[in-house]
Amino acid sequence: EAGVAQSPRYKIIEKRQSVAFWCNPISGHATLYWYQQILGQGPKLLIQFQNNGVVDDSQLPKDRFSAERLKGVDSTLKIQPAKLEDSAVYLCASSLRSTEAFFGQGTRLTVV
Amino acid sequence: AQSVTQPDIHITVSEGASLELRCNYSYGATPYLFWYVQSPGQGLQLLLKYFSGDTLVQGIKGFEAEFKRSQSSFNLRKPSVHWSDAAEYFCAVSNNNDMRFGAGTRLTVKP
Repeated sequence: EAGVAQSPRYKIIEKRQSVAFWCNPISGHATLYWYQQILGQGPKLLIQFQNNGVVDDSQLPKDRFSAERLKGVDSTLKIQPAKLEDSAVYLCASSLRSTEAFFGQGTRLTVV
Repeated sequence: AQSVTQPDIHITVSEGASLELRCNYSYGATPYLFWYVQSPGQGLQLLLKYFSGDTLVQGIKGFEAEFKRSQSSFNLRKPSVHWSDAAEYFCAVSNNNDMRFGAGTRLTVKP
């Protein structure tokens, strides 16, 4: 079975620019997560979707971050404008009900 | 508040020695419990999981973990560490699809 696909793998942008990440979850997985992993820390949940509805976005900085999951499949995460502290790896994961989450390889964002 | 604690930021063990990584959680009810491993530049790979039943669970790569309800712990163990086990290890808990991670323990393996 195909895994969680993310693109791009790497992105370097200047502060105040915008950036978008894309995620294609495992087929049939209703739950999709976006995590932010800052170097040396554990993944922090940004937003969780159940199908195309938001379950939890309490830790999403909504003044600059947005995410959508159209048609309950693919998802995009956007940052606009980016700050230096947004430099991190952005991980997408999907799961079937409350079983384990399957992770993509992540997008490493560097803001300079 | 719900939380996951991994008390050890960094552990160094000799190759062939035994390993135990600690994980404690604070949740209202017994959540689902997981251990993930992350090698440099890679995503997270599931080592093992506990949902219910036998409190000692076996995972991949020779790892096992024991759930202790009285201590709210889910410690990861391996009897003999290999150099390839050097990585970052994350404990995670899930309750109603809300998956949270600990800060991780970095494992260094000495030759």
